[in-house]
Amino acid sequence: QVQLQQSGAELVKPGASVKMSCKAFGYTFTTYPIEWMKQNHGKSLEWIGNFHPYNDDTKYNEKFKGKAKLTVEKSSSTVYLELSRLTSDDSAVYYCARGGLRQGFAYWGQGTLVTVSA
Amino acid sequence: ETTVTQSPASLSVATGEKVTIRCITSTDIDDDMNWYQQKPGEPPKLLISEGNTLRPGVPSRFSSSGYGTDFVFTIENTLSEDVADYYCLQSDNMPYTFGGGTKLEIK
Repeated sequence: QVQLQQSGAELVKPGASVKMSCKAFGYTFTTYPIEWMKQNHGKSLEWIGNFHPYNDDTKYNEKFKGKAKLTVEKSSSTVYLELSRLTSDDSAVYYCARGGLRQGFAYWGQGTLVTVSA
Repeated sequence: ETTVTQSPASLSVATGEKVTIRCITSTDIDDDMNWYQQKPGEPPKLLISEGNTLRPGVPSRFSSSGYGTDFVFTIENTLSEDVADYYCLQSDNMPYTFGGGTKLEIK
């Protein structure tokens, strides 16, 4: 069945970068985009951007341009989210989800907790 | 950017009662609204996707309506297991945007 498996929690220092992964299982990887969301503790969700493995098309929320970078490793059906120049505002849970036209975001990863602390 | 205003922020109902959550969008999004349930420590779960489409396996006590800018999510005969946060998401235009969430508690 469809699954998205995310990498484990990260503790990183301010100013550093972090790269997390989202590995897809159970469907043809190039058929659907992978969406990324940020959720601050106890807060709502923000859409960061998406990556379509079919044509490498990438879209970012303007708010996250310069902060987030999406890349892919097609051989392992994995999309990566890299966050740079981390501050305490970047401490959050980051989710990937499978997108697609009229699909909602039906399948989600379990989330990656990023904690930025000295 | 389409702003999504969700209300109420929280509500408390008795089991068996009806729950109504509303999302209003700042632009016309046709029927491209989605509704999610999130329980503590879990990712959001898609309950209803675009076109007010109930997802497979989701109980029929969950429903939604709306088109354009005004959308309503309903839980009939609320159960204790429905305690969760609920979010709407517009997927009409990027950046996709979520409502602020509704915390549902049982009295």
